[in-house]
Amino acid sequence: DSGVTQTPKHLITATGQRVTLRCSPRSGDLSVYWYQQSLDQGLQFLIQYYNGEERAKGNILERFSAQQFPDLHSELNLSSLELGDSALYFCASSVGGQPTYGYTFGSGTRLTVV
Amino acid sequence: DQQVKQNSPSLSVQEGRISILNCDYTNSMFDYFLWYKKYPAEGPTFLISISSIKDKNEDGRFTVFLNKSAKHLSLHIVPSQPGDSAVYFCAASGRFQGAQKLVFGQGTRLTINP
Repeated sequence: DSGVTQTPKHLITATGQRVTLRCSPRSGDLSVYWYQQSLDQGLQFLIQYYNGEERAKGNILERFSAQQFPDLHSELNLSSLELGDSALYFCASSVGGQPTYGYTFGSGTRLTVV
Repeated sequence: DQQVKQNSPSLSVQEGRISILNCDYTNSMFDYFLWYKKYPAEGPTFLISISSIKDKNEDGRFTVFLNKSAKHLSLHIVPSQPGDSAVYFCAASGRFQGAQKLVFGQGTRLTINP
């Protein structure tokens, strides 16, 4: 157990729908990062939050949004889902706001859009 | 340009032999490098790292080599064991446009054959 908790583990939904993925960071970590891993793709950085504030943005679609709450858990909202959004979504956390030395990943949420 | 590339999608090695996984990067601003290991249905876990001021870092069976002039790093696993079968991601950390970023390669699937 890495200490980073992601729920749900699996999610199957239809095109056009909206889903919310949840992440609880490791105790003491203030930063949360969201990554997407599609088939045969590497880990694509989506967005980072640090202590409730957006810190960095990557290749995140406008249909996607995220937030970090006062208790530091984070949610990734995916709307108007398309087949191509099917992927593994990972959350990671780190103590500080800079990912210089890497971070700890959760076990991921597998999203299947049908 | 923040690209990190792992040009071999897969690698098959006999148990007991050496496994060598390669990674190339394009930007000399990267100053810290990491390797992550990922089993199916789990998130990536940190394996070993190296700072740009070093050219080698060793941890048990795992050694990472960094060749800054060639912008190349490699992970050596000796001897390879069946439990090493996993996907390996290299990642590079650097400061771009005022923000520290961690960029991942696409991953290499390592299979250790008995």
